Amino acid sequence: GENVEQHPSTLSVQEGDSAVIKCTYSDSASNYFPWYKQELGKRPQLIIDIRSNVGEKKDQRIAVTLNKTAKHFSLHITETQPEDSAVYFCAATSPSNDYKLSFGAGTTVTVRA
Amino acid sequence: DAGVIQSPRHEVTEMGQEVTLRCKPISGHDYLFWYRQTMMRGLELLIYFNNNVPIDDSGMPEDRFSAKMPNASFSTLKIQPSEPRDSAVYFCASSPWGNTEAFFGQGTRLTVV
Repeated sequence: GENVEQHPSTLSVQEGDSAVIKCTYSDSASNYFPWYKQELGKRPQLIIDIRSNVGEKKDQRIAVTLNKTAKHFSLHITETQPEDSAVYFCAATSPSNDYKLSFGAGTTVTVRA
Repeated sequence: DAGVIQSPRHEVTEMGQEVTLRCKPISGHDYLFWYRQTMMRGLELLIYFNNNVPIDDSGMPEDRFSAKMPNASFSTLKIQPSEPRDSAVYFCASSPWGNTEAFFGQGTRLTVV
């Protein structure tokens, strides 16, 4: 089955700097890669996703890149703001395991003012 | 649509008691996921359903846990008997099909004393 690993587990950045979170996956058939943000005490919510037919996707200050050859994908947050402080989870789904949605271990991002 | 609805929001029970968590997915969604979240283990997938059929229950920790989906609009996660180590936040999520956004409910915070 799919195995998703996420690094780092914690990330502290100065406000205005960039944050990068990396994930690797094991199933070469994986074709959908979502990223979720979970603020303290709240539910996880999708912030951006990418499919295997594109290499990069951007939405304002957030971007995701995908390297299918190396089987890794990354979340990039530019010009970080205090409201970016949260736990971020990556996931990868594959038709070979009926789109089982399992998440990486999560990255706790803290933006210092 | 009101989104994914979970009940109760909070549950405090004594060790050994039966606990039933409930979930109403978004209408028309084919996939339903149950997750458990703790500080130590992150967001664990317990079981998921496709069109009311359990697809993968390999994440269910032991026989004390069971889940059902008798129809497209309702699912339950039952713990019998409950133990203090079951204390966690339990999330239900649904998605319209496999490789697309999953929408989370607000979660049930379970405390077993």
